[in-house]
Amino acid sequence: LAKTTQPISMDSYEGQEVNITCSHNNIATNDYITWYQQFPSQGPRFIIQGYKTKVTNEVASLFIPADRKSSTLSLPRVSLSDTAVYYCLVGPYSSASKIIFGSGTRLSIRP
Amino acid sequence: KAGVTQTPRYLIKTRGQQVTLSCSPISGHRSVSWYQQTPGQGLQFLFEYFSETQRNKGNFPGRFSGRQFSNSRSEMNVSTLELGDSALYLCASTRDSPSEGYTFGSGTRLTVV
Repeated sequence: LAKTTQPISMDSYEGQEVNITCSHNNIATNDYITWYQQFPSQGPRFIIQGYKTKVTNEVASLFIPADRKSSTLSLPRVSLSDTAVYYCLVGPYSSASKIIFGSGTRLSIRP
Repeated sequence: KAGVTQTPRYLIKTRGQQVTLSCSPISGHRSVSWYQQTPGQGLQFLFEYFSETQRNKGNFPGRFSGRQFSNSRSEMNVSTLELGDSALYLCASTRDSPSEGYTFGSGTRLTVV
C-alpha cells in the first residue's frame, strides 16, 4: 500500500493560489492519486483524481510529474470556505480497502 | 442528484447495547463502503460491499458487521458496544469510475456512554 506524506498544516489568504504537495514514493503502476476535502463533522468530499500529467476540473488542478512519486493539488483563488483538511490518497480507484487516509493537511485561510 | 444518505445523524447508546446504522448510496452506485473516523486513529476502513456481497473487510473485531440489500442500500451493525466505539461512521458509494472517486455521506455520530 502506497504511503503518502503531506504537510500537517498550511496557512494562506483569501484570493491566493494554494498548492499542497503530496509525496508517494512507492506508488504502484495501477494506483490513482485522489484528493479529498473534509470539513468538521462531515464526510470527505471528492475533489479530483488523476493518473499522470495534469487534470483540471471546476474546483482544482492536479499536477503529477512523469515519475508519479509526488503530486500537487492547486486551489485557485481560495476563499474562507476552503478552510478544511485535505487528504491525498493513493490506491486503485475501485478498491476501498486499499485506499488509506493519512493525517491530511489542515488548510487555514485568513481574510 | 441526491447524495449519500446516512441515518440517523446522531446516536447515543449505552455500553453493551447494539446499534444499526443505515446508508443509502447514490442511485446507480453499486459499491458501498464503511469507515470509522476518530480523532486518534483518523479514517479507518471497515468493509466494502458490491452487489450484496462483502468484497473486502478491514481490521475490526467481529462485533462490527454489515450487509447490503438488493437496492444497494447498506446497513452496519455494532454489537456489544464499547466506549471506544464512539466515532463518526461514514458511508461512501462509488460507480467504480476513476473520474468520480467515492462520494461520502455526512456520517452518523455515535456516542457510547
